Amino acid sequence: KQEVTQIPAALSVPEGENLVLNCSFTDSAIYNLQWFRQDPGKGLTSLLLIQSSQREQTSGRLNASLDKSSGRSTLYIAASQPGDSATYLCAVEDSNYQLIWGAGTKLIIKP
Amino acid sequence: EAGVAQSPRYKIIEKRQSVAFWCNPISGHATLYWYQQILGQGPKLLIQFQNNGVVDDSQLPKDRFSAERLKGVDSTLKIQPAKLEDSAVYLCASSQSSASRAGELFFGEGSRLTVL
Repeated sequence: KQEVTQIPAALSVPEGENLVLNCSFTDSAIYNLQWFRQDPGKGLTSLLLIQSSQREQTSGRLNASLDKSSGRSTLYIAASQPGDSATYLCAVEDSNYQLIWGAGTKLIIKP
Repeated sequence: EAGVAQSPRYKIIEKRQSVAFWCNPISGHATLYWYQQILGQGPKLLIQFQNNGVVDDSQLPKDRFSAERLKGVDSTLKIQPAKLEDSAVYLCASSQSSASRAGELFFGEGSRLTVL
């Protein structure tokens, strides 16, 4: 059974720092992995989608990598800003076409 | 392009009452999902529609929850009777993807339910 874990559950860093959020999954047989952002009281916004054949995807200051063999993905945020404060969730689409979600990492960027 | 619309945004009811949530997906999106998200947890899939057919409702508590998607567009999710543990945010998402693949999901802002 696929399980997705995000550690740490919460992270607080000063503005301007580069940071990495982690997502691990137990079964390497995935079709894709998505990173989402969720602001308080809001829905989820898709940030990046990495197909299983890809190693990374980039959008602006965000870079997501995927290593299927080790069951890991990282979301790199460069030059963090207070507006980046949110909860970041990852989800993998498994071999049964189901999305398996992590519980998220709550990120706080201190001005 | 309009996003996924959900209503109401907030609802407070007493246990054993009923509630209904509405979702209008992005135009042309064949796949529609209803998720339940409890505070501090990731979303839990309740039901997935492909056009107006159900693809997956294995985690839908069918004794109290029901959902329909008429004409393959709008969808409603109903809870009757509500229990305290149903307090959560109900998220609707849609995807352009056909068949069973998820593809990129687009979410509405959610409907926050509080059961007293």
